[in-house]
Amino acid sequence: DIQMTQSPFSLSASVGDRVTITCRASQSVISYLNWYQQKPGKAPKLLIYGASSLQRGVPSRFSGSGSGTDFTLTISSLQPEDSATYYCQQTYSTCSFGQGTKLDIK
Amino acid sequence: QVQLQESGPGLVKPSQTLSLTCTVSGGAISSGDYYWTWIRQPPGKGLEWIANIYFNGGNSYNPSLRSRLSTTLDASKNQLSLKLRSVTVADTAVYYCATTELSRHRLGLDFWGQGILVTVSS
Repeated sequence: DIQMTQSPFSLSASVGDRVTITCRASQSVISYLNWYQQKPGKAPKLLIYGASSLQRGVPSRFSGSGSGTDFTLTISSLQPEDSATYYCQQTYSTCSFGQGTKLDIK
Repeated sequence: QVQLQESGPGLVKPSQTLSLTCTVSGGAISSGDYYWTWIRQPPGKGLEWIANIYFNGGNSYNPSLRSRLSTTLDASKNQLSLKLRSVTVADTAVYYCATTELSRHRLGLDFWGQGILVTVSS
């Protein structure tokens, strides 16, 4: 099984800040890495697929990068509505998720 | 666009079988254009993949659940179902069904149900 490790576990940032969340895979997943945003009581929402492709309808302040084992999700200018938990997901070998990163707005 | 709705009992006793249904609208299961996924999330915890289900039958299951798990597709009702046997309190979770087009296989899950909370308790 491929283990996914996200960091940090949680963070707090101010509106307008640039925020980066990292995800590391226990073995290469090539670019089969997706990012989701989940707000309390809601289903996850796909943000980024294939490591760096922006899902339609998602604001351009979200971006993804990386390949192999190391990936990042970046929010270029944090907005109040970005308060949520973010998950990475590998789909190279079946599927597994990172443990999540909770992002709060100061 | 595809819409998904999970349904089933919200409370299951330990050692019994958890049975859930996901009703699909806006797309036909029998078309083979989509693949279907079950995911769960224990209260306050992260997401856990359960299974991928394909109309041609080439399913894949989480190894940690495989021995207790069965899934089916009912094209006549446009539903998918999940059965998890011998449940324990550790199976308490919100269960989601999700899907994306088969042409986007591995490129994330576009469509999700709202989720259903299943509590395992005596």
